[in-house]
Amino acid sequence: GAGVSQSPRYKVAKRGQDVALRCDPISGHVSLFWYQQALGQGPEFLTYFQNEAQLDKSGLPSDRFFAERPEGSVSTLKIQRTQQEDSAVYLCASSFFAGVSHEQFFGPGTRLTVL
Amino acid sequence: AQSVTQLGSHVSVSEGALVLLRCNYSSSVPPYLFWYVQYPNQGLQLLLKYTTGATLVKGINGFEAEFKKSETSFHLTKPSAHMSDAAEYFCAVSDSGTSYGKLTFGQGTILTVHP
Repeated sequence: GAGVSQSPRYKVAKRGQDVALRCDPISGHVSLFWYQQALGQGPEFLTYFQNEAQLDKSGLPSDRFFAERPEGSVSTLKIQRTQQEDSAVYLCASSFFAGVSHEQFFGPGTRLTVL
Repeated sequence: AQSVTQLGSHVSVSEGALVLLRCNYSSSVPPYLFWYVQYPNQGLQLLLKYTTGATLVKGINGFEAEFKKSETSFHLTKPSAHMSDAAEYFCAVSDSGTSYGKLTFGQGTILTVHP
């Protein structure tokens, strides 16, 4: 079956532009996570949705970052007024259940480059 | 707060040799531990996980890991490396202080396999 998909796969933005990154989780998955992976680093947690509810946004680095999942399926991560330090791969992951031991299925990521 | 340390950002082995990738974690509660593999331009794929029970965990592609509470370690091994094992490997701990288990990742270890 289809896995987690993300679009676009690559995005180049000029500093100050707004960007929107899309995640299509596996159908029926309750949990959806966003992670940020800087070059040469492990992924870092940004935010978590359980269905349409954003239960944890403690990892969002600034108020320029905003995420939504209005119908409990597709999610969008929006970054306003992009800065060079926002350059990273943004990973989306979904899980069928909400729980600490369940596998998260990852998408291929969106590589954002801010010039 | 939980943390993960992967010793060695790069590991190089010969084809057929033992693979050992080291992971130490810090957690104030019983941890849930994961190993993920990332191939170039692909999302992270779960290799194996430890939740409870048997401390020696077997995963896909011949990998296994042993949870050692006294050493706070969860090292990944494979008896005989194959060229297709070349990838980046991430150890992660699930935040059991939440109901949904956001992951904290190590920095990653790039495995190179020489013919």
